Amino acid sequence: DGGITQSPKYLFRKEGQNVTLSCEQNLNHDAMYWYRQDPGQGLRLIYYSQIVNDFQKGDIAEGYSVSREKKESFPLTVTSAQKNPTAFYLCATKRDSSYNSPLHFGNGTRLTVT
Amino acid sequence: GNSVTQMEGPVTLSEEAFLTINCTYTATGYPSLFWYVQYPGEGLQLLLKATKADDKGSNKGFEATYRKETTSFHLEKGSVQVSDSAVYFCALDGLGYGGSQGNLIFGKGTKLSVKP
Repeated sequence: DGGITQSPKYLFRKEGQNVTLSCEQNLNHDAMYWYRQDPGQGLRLIYYSQIVNDFQKGDIAEGYSVSREKKESFPLTVTSAQKNPTAFYLCATKRDSSYNSPLHFGNGTRLTVT
Repeated sequence: GNSVTQMEGPVTLSEEAFLTINCTYTATGYPSLFWYVQYPGEGLQLLLKATKADDKGSNKGFEATYRKETTSFHLEKGSVQVSDSAVYFCALDGLGYGGSQGNLIFGKGTKLSVKP
């Protein structure tokens, strides 16, 4: 059953701790993305990767880091430098870089930092 | 730069009412346009898309026509159901010409509530 798996669904951390969100895909898609969703602000791009061992910053990369060591995996680390980490995080994939290739989304991880 | 503007919600309708959610965009070139839907607690799902001017995307009774002259991609449905209650996002892929910036630019979303 092909898809995108984000885990865990809910994550709680204390302020000052780094936390890593998992994203795994078995769609064999080349590109992977991390978006952050806040109420009333839509989706904002954090990082994306179009090929293994390469990634680019999105619009709000500060306080986040990623790696892309395998095609299937694109973990996101929320560091203690991120000022407002509490949000809903969405991982997405795209088959290739063609302009009409849509994004496919996981079901998200809701991170709460207190 | 590229941007997407959606009508602000929430939108509340009775079952079987007609739905329009407005979406306009600013982009260079000929972007591809998308509508996504998000049900509570879930990720986004592609609802429909259009890749060139005058294309009409359709799915599950929803339609949207790519209007280059008005830079719009309004979402419509003739008769909504309670199960259509969700948040709807308009998005564009900004490069066009057969290429891609690689990521989509999203509107802020419009929450739809349909009452029985």
